[in-house]
Amino acid sequence: GNSVTQMEGPVTLSEEAFLTINCTYTATGYPSLFWYVQYPGEGLQLLLKATKADDKGSNKGFEATYRKETTSFHLEKGSVQVSDSAVYFCAFRDDKIIFGKGTRLHILP
Amino acid sequence: DTAVSQTPKYLVTQMGNDKSIKCEQNLGHDTMYWYKQDSKKFLKIMFSYNNKELIINETVPNRFSPKSPDKAHLNLHINSLELGDSAVYFCASSQEDLADTGELFFGEGSRLTVL
Repeated sequence: GNSVTQMEGPVTLSEEAFLTINCTYTATGYPSLFWYVQYPGEGLQLLLKATKADDKGSNKGFEATYRKETTSFHLEKGSVQVSDSAVYFCAFRDDKIIFGKGTRLHILP
Repeated sequence: DTAVSQTPKYLVTQMGNDKSIKCEQNLGHDTMYWYKQDSKKFLKIMFSYNNKELIINETVPNRFSPKSPDKAHLNLHINSLELGDSAVYFCASSQEDLADTGELFFGEGSRLTVL
């Protein structure tokens, strides 16, 4: 069935390190892909999205490219900050939005 | 002005009780959802309503009953609460008639603790 697989956390990095959080999906067709972020004590909010193959979504220094051939949508940031500490969810839209299990990110000062 | 607001934010209650969580959105969206997030942060959709009509009803015990009096409100009533119902419940909304939509707007969550 349709599903999203993302790397398990927690991921701990030092400030200014390079970040990659892997995400792959299994779906029929070419769904829209999303990354959501959940800061402590808050609800999820959309971080970025891509609606077709080779599209790149970007926001707040984060980027992810829709790779049809590898069915992937990996999240990257060149230099993370302490304020990026949060849980990140990869998701795609089929007849409903399906979320991955989330990856907790800790950034150390 | 909170776009999606849900109350209460915290709820502590005994097993066997009945409780409700309310949700309101002022975004003019036509679709609303309830999600359950467990202690490991896993997010699972429970229900979805479009213009007051139920369109998604995942495998949820029938102790859970959503009610949508109008498209701006979606309430969740839970009967005979069990320990396993302890979680954070998130309300969300979206506008479904745009081709490239999919963005969900979430409330801040209601943390339910069943003792």
